[in-house]
Amino acid sequence: NAGVMQNPRHLVRRRGQEARLRCSPMKGHSHVYWYRQLPEEGLKFMVYLQKENIIDESGMPKERFSAEFPKEGPSILRIQQVVRGDSAAYFCASSRTIKETQYFGPGTRLLVL
Amino acid sequence: KNEVEQSPQNLTAQEGEFITINCSYSVGISALHWLQQHPGGGIVSLFMLSSGKKKHGRLIATINIQEKHSSLHITASHPRDSAVYICAVRSVIGQGGSEKLVFGKGTKLTVNP
Repeated sequence: NAGVMQNPRHLVRRRGQEARLRCSPMKGHSHVYWYRQLPEEGLKFMVYLQKENIIDESGMPKERFSAEFPKEGPSILRIQQVVRGDSAAYFCASSRTIKETQYFGPGTRLLVL
Repeated sequence: KNEVEQSPQNLTAQEGEFITINCSYSVGISALHWLQQHPGGGIVSLFMLSSGKKKHGRLIATINIQEKHSSLHITASHPRDSAVYICAVRSVIGQGGSEKLVFGKGTKLTVNP
């Protein structure tokens, strides 16, 4: 059973470009969470999704950020018009139910030049 | 003030020493997680607990719900235990209304041979 997969592992973008981060949950997991880890800071919750539904996006910046988890395919975290402050590690986690352990992916390290 | 506080922030030990990392939280929780983040950045879930004590190999995690406190112990520490250890609580917090993980800032452990 493959773990949570994220790609790309590293992403470099120039200011103003779009960043698209992908997350494939573990097999059998329908709950997906995105977290951001800014340099020298702790992890922060961004968004919680189930298949085709956003359950809680209270941690997402109001502008430029969006997330989806379609019926088929990976969950996508999309950042439009990136700025330097978006440089961070973005982790995805999945779980079978909300009460069970979350398993983390390896993260995508985004660098905005 | 953060909802989850860890101490110490940094910890250096000699191989073989007994290690204790502490976590205090100020919100109501349904579960507490201990995570390990290695220098490469990957995050591994070590424990999820809501009461009492759990043991896995040389690692022991305890939680006192009344005192809102948890400890992670490592017996017979080894250089390969060097990592950042993160405490996270699952709580209904923020505007979204769902349970989500709230993270401490982590304890950086270095075990010297």
